[in-house]
Amino acid sequence: EIVLTQSPGTLSLSPGERATLSCRASQSVSSSYLAWYQQKPGQAPRLLMYGASSRATGISDRFSGSGSGTDFSLTISRLEPEDFAVYYCQQYASSPRTFGQGTRLEIK
Amino acid sequence: EVQLVESGGGLVQPGGSLRLSCAASAFTFRNYAMSWVRQAPGKGLEWVSAISKGLSTYYADSVKGRFTISRDNSKNTLYLQMSSLRAEDTAVYYCAKPETTETTGGGMGSPFDSWGQGTLVTVSS
Repeated sequence: EIVLTQSPGTLSLSPGERATLSCRASQSVSSSYLAWYQQKPGQAPRLLMYGASSRATGISDRFSGSGSGTDFSLTISRLEPEDFAVYYCQQYASSPRTFGQGTRLEIK
Repeated sequence: EVQLVESGGGLVQPGGSLRLSCAASAFTFRNYAMSWVRQAPGKGLEWVSAISKGLSTYYADSVKGRFTISRDNSKNTLYLQMSSLRAEDTAVYYCAKPETTETTGGGMGSPFDSWGQGTLVTVSS
C-alpha cells in the first residue's frame, strides 16, 4: 500500500499570506493520480485538485497543485479566511486508495 | 446537483451489527463504482470499501471479513453491513462517488467528487 506523508502537521499563517502544503508518497504515484481535499469542521471533505494539478469544478484559481512521482504540493496563493481548514492528499492510482494524515491550516 | 444521503448510524455494543445506507440522486447511480470512507473522531480519512458497477467488492484489511458492501441499483442505494463491530470502528462513515464512470478495481483511477454528509457509528458498551 502507498503511504502518504503530509507536512507540516500544522501550518499557522495570516490571511493574505501564501501557503505551501507537502505530500510525499512511499512509492511513485502513477499517472499523477493524486488529489487534494479540504475539510472544515463538521463537514464532508471537498475535492480541490485532481491529477496533481487540475482544479476541480468551482475551485478558486488561488489554489494550485504540482508534483509527480513521489513528491506533490498544494499552494494557496493568498489566504482568505475561508481557507483555514484541514487538507488531505489522496492517491487513487493503486489499491487500496490511501490518504495522508492531513495538514491543519490555522490562522496565526 | 448530486446528492448522497447516509443513514443508519447509531450506538452499538462491541460485537454488534449495523447496516448503513446511502441514498443517491441526480446522477446515473448504476454507472458508478461507489465507496465508503470513514473518519474516527479527531482523526484522518480512511477508505473502507468499494463496489464496482459489475458488483465486484473491495475492502480495507481492517474490515475484511466483518463488513459487506452492496448496492441496489433499482433503489439508487449503497449499503454497508457491519458486523463484529469493535471500538476502533467508531467513526463518521461517508459514502463517496468517483468523478468518472471510467474506473477500475472499484473506483480506482478517479478521485471522489461527491460525498455525503456522513453518519456517525459509535461502538461502545
